[in-house]
Amino acid sequence: EVQLVESGGGLVQPGESLRLSCAASGFIFSSFRMNWVRQAPGKGLEWVSYISNTGTPIYYADSVKGRFTVSRDNAEDSLYLQMNSLRAEDTAVYYCARGYYDVLTTNDAFDIWGQGTLVTVSS
Amino acid sequence: DIQMTQSPSSLSASVGDRVTIACRASLSLYTYLNWYQQKPGKAPKLLIYATSRLQSGVPSRFSGSGSGTEFTLTISGLQPEDFATYYCQQSYSTPWTFGQGTKVEIK
Repeated sequence: EVQLVESGGGLVQPGESLRLSCAASGFIFSSFRMNWVRQAPGKGLEWVSYISNTGTPIYYADSVKGRFTVSRDNAEDSLYLQMNSLRAEDTAVYYCARGYYDVLTTNDAFDIWGQGTLVTVSS
Repeated sequence: DIQMTQSPSSLSASVGDRVTIACRASLSLYTYLNWYQQKPGKAPKLLIYATSRLQSGVPSRFSGSGSGTEFTLTISGLQPEDFATYYCQQSYSTPWTFGQGTKVEIK
């Protein structure tokens, strides 16, 4: 079964750091682009970061650039998000999402999602 | 950044109804537009990619159309399991952006 499982969320104070992990199974992880997408409580979806299957290129949303770092370990089938200098507005459920690139249309989409991990930034 | 605007923000419909959700982009996306369904407490699910291509396993009552800046998701014959929130998402350029969502509720 194709599956993504996030972990590492929790309650932190503003300015602190947190590292999220996403364990992949059921597919060849090293062949796929990966993303982080977040959703603040009661709000819509916000794309956070992208990493190619090889580790470069990497892209970030402006809201997290310079504070968050995405990485992956293809040997361990794992995706990571290091979050530093956390702010109250970073409070959200963080999803890892597999990137689906359709060769015919050259379109990218998020085809497999994890269950999400909640990050709460509050004093 | 490309702004995505969905309409309506919410709608009430009955089982069997035909439902249409619109999505407008702030600049041309050609056909780089995806649709997702999200149920409460669950992760989003990809329904349609590249404007009109049905993701594997998605029922054929879901369809997508459009190009440029105007796109539509249609549900032909709403089923009880279709009551959810739907999001469009542009994949033309990063930062990839989502519409604000359309909540489909039971009338």
